[in-house]
Amino acid sequence: QQPVQSPQAVILREGEDAVINCSSSKALYSVHWYRQKHGEAPVFLMILLKGGEQKGHEKISASFNEKKQQSSLYLTASQLSYSGTYFCGTEEEYGNKLVFGAGTILRVKS
Amino acid sequence: DTGVSQNPRHKITKRGQNVTFRCDPISEHNRLYWYRQTLGQGPEFLTYFQNEAQLEKSRLLSDRFSAERPKGSFSTLEIQRTEQGDSAMYLCASSIRNGDNYGYTFGSGTRLTVV
Repeated sequence: QQPVQSPQAVILREGEDAVINCSSSKALYSVHWYRQKHGEAPVFLMILLKGGEQKGHEKISASFNEKKQQSSLYLTASQLSYSGTYFCGTEEEYGNKLVFGAGTILRVKS
Repeated sequence: DTGVSQNPRHKITKRGQNVTFRCDPISEHNRLYWYRQTLGQGPEFLTYFQNEAQLEKSRLLSDRFSAERPKGSFSTLEIQRTEQGDSAMYLCASSIRNGDNYGYTFGSGTRLTVV
């Protein structure tokens, strides 16, 4: 079953922050986050595992609430290069594949 | 390592024709996935290989779709008797389950248009 992402779209000015949420009805083992720019392939950002720590690098970080089967992606002090569509991919316990959400379109304006 | 390579980049075919796509994964990756993506949607799982074994196939996938990964290297996805509803971007991804970091590397995809 496809995870639910929110919001569907968000527009920011450079320097503003954003949070993208991902929620599943299934018991999850991991959550992946990807960014896809128009006409390009999705690019892996980070993975969060059950029992693992919050991940992050530079101004993009993420958390995973195992009890609620929810993950959030945090984008801090956004840059123009952050624009794109963000997808979460969820992996169930004993699963071997990712199921992707419908995506969140992020547009950063100068 | 040149990443995941997919060919062709674009394919236009007439309804009812057969098409075949190729994916060359990152050489050390033992897992290979095929996904389909339509405009405004996330990638939709089609099938998954571990080495040469096809371990899972989406129930949404009709018998017109078949995939192979001979010798655990490149993979092909064939669609027989194409329909207009098959028009989409077909993405291949590979990964290696090695510790805690097994993100997928996607290829640039093959865009199929059925006319």
